[in-house]
Amino acid sequence: DIQMTQSPSTLSASVGDRVTITCRASQSISSWLAWYQQKPGKAPKVLIYKASTLQSGDPSRFSGSGSGTEFTLTISSLQPDDLATYYCQQYDSFPWTFGQGTKVEIK
Amino acid sequence: EVQLLESGGDLVQPGGSLRLSCAASGFTFSAHVMSWVRQAPGKGLEWVSTLADAYTHYADSVKGRFTISRENSKNTLYLQMSSLRAEDTAVYYCARGGGCTGGNCYWPDYWGQGTLVTVSS
Repeated sequence: DIQMTQSPSTLSASVGDRVTITCRASQSISSWLAWYQQKPGKAPKVLIYKASTLQSGDPSRFSGSGSGTEFTLTISSLQPDDLATYYCQQYDSFPWTFGQGTKVEIK
Repeated sequence: EVQLLESGGDLVQPGGSLRLSCAASGFTFSAHVMSWVRQAPGKGLEWVSTLADAYTHYADSVKGRFTISRENSKNTLYLQMSSLRAEDTAVYYCARGGGCTGGNCYWPDYWGQGTLVTVSS
């Protein structure tokens, strides 16, 4: 199985800060990586797919990069609405695997 | 508008069975691979199963106990769960998409709101 290691597990930042979350795969997954945002009590929502493609309708302050085994999710200017837990997921092969999540808090 | 609505979650005793349903609308259900993903209380996301025309995949943790199926005439996806254990307690999400074909791989792009399964005596 492909292991997905996400860091940090918790992140506290101020409104307007640039925030970066990292996800590492235990083997190459090409660009078959998605990022999800999950707000408290809600279902996950896709933000980014194919490592760097922004889901239609999502704010442009979210961006993704990387390929192979190293990936990042960046929020260019943190907003109060971004309070959530973020997960990466590889869909290169079954079993699909997710990172353990990064909880983003607003200072 | 794509909508996925899960139902069937309940409190069930260890060793019991339960069938979850996911009613789909807003897209051509029969043309899409469908998946189940779960989330234990306070924990992360765990893929459970994916169903396509050509294949079915299960997580090792549920293999032999859970069965995914669909009824295209009713636009409904199912998850039949048996021999339930305490560790199966989770919110179960139905999601559209999955698998690789023609050199491209597909992610679960739409998710339902989930249904809670609690396994406890």
